[in-house]
Amino acid sequence: EPEVTQTPSHQVTQMGQEVILRCVPISNHLYFYWYRQILGQKVEFLVSFYNNEISEKSEIFDDQFSVERPDGSNFTLKIRSTKLEDSAMYFCASRPGLTGNTIYFGEGSWLTVV
Amino acid sequence: AQSVTQLDSQVPVFEEAPVELRCNYSSSVSVYLFWYVQYPNQGLQLLLKYLSGSTLVKGINGFEAEFNKSQTSFHLRKPSVHISDTAEYFCAVSEAAGNKLTFGGGTRVLVKP
Repeated sequence: EPEVTQTPSHQVTQMGQEVILRCVPISNHLYFYWYRQILGQKVEFLVSFYNNEISEKSEIFDDQFSVERPDGSNFTLKIRSTKLEDSAMYFCASRPGLTGNTIYFGEGSWLTVV
Repeated sequence: AQSVTQLDSQVPVFEEAPVELRCNYSSSVSVYLFWYVQYPNQGLQLLLKYLSGSTLVKGINGFEAEFNKSQTSFHLRKPSVHISDTAEYFCAVSEAAGNKLTFGGGTRVLVKP
């Protein structure tokens, strides 16, 4: 069964450093997402991406965050200058179409900012 | 905007006993409802979803959920759990015409032998 793959599975970075989290969504899916889960808290929506542009973003997704689909297969989340509070599990997800279709999640990238 | 409340953060249950995980939502528009499961060290996997039609929805691994519009609930049930059902379960909602999922806080199920 096709799946969303994410790398790295775990990354430790120093505060202020840039981090790029990578995702390969399921082939032929059209919508792409990043969610995050801070330890002990809810899974939160960050951003959705469709037709090579951001279609929706949350208040969390401020100027330090950016997304890109550089080559038609990868979907990346960049955090420009990491803060301690960015430590979380980041989930990439994709969806074939819009209404009613299942969103498929990757296994997550655990980011620890020290 | 919608929100989801999972009333139980942890549910211990003995093997072969039934389990019910409660989920309530609020929304001013029509919604779709989902249950996802996260096994230890794995990603989020869809258990089942309600889009329309029959309010009783059957999913994978013997789980089912019932949509109750008047009570704005979507409780998840399994008549007999296995050790392998130990996981965290997330209820989620999306607007029928919407784009993203809003998650509840999760319920950690620990199945004891």
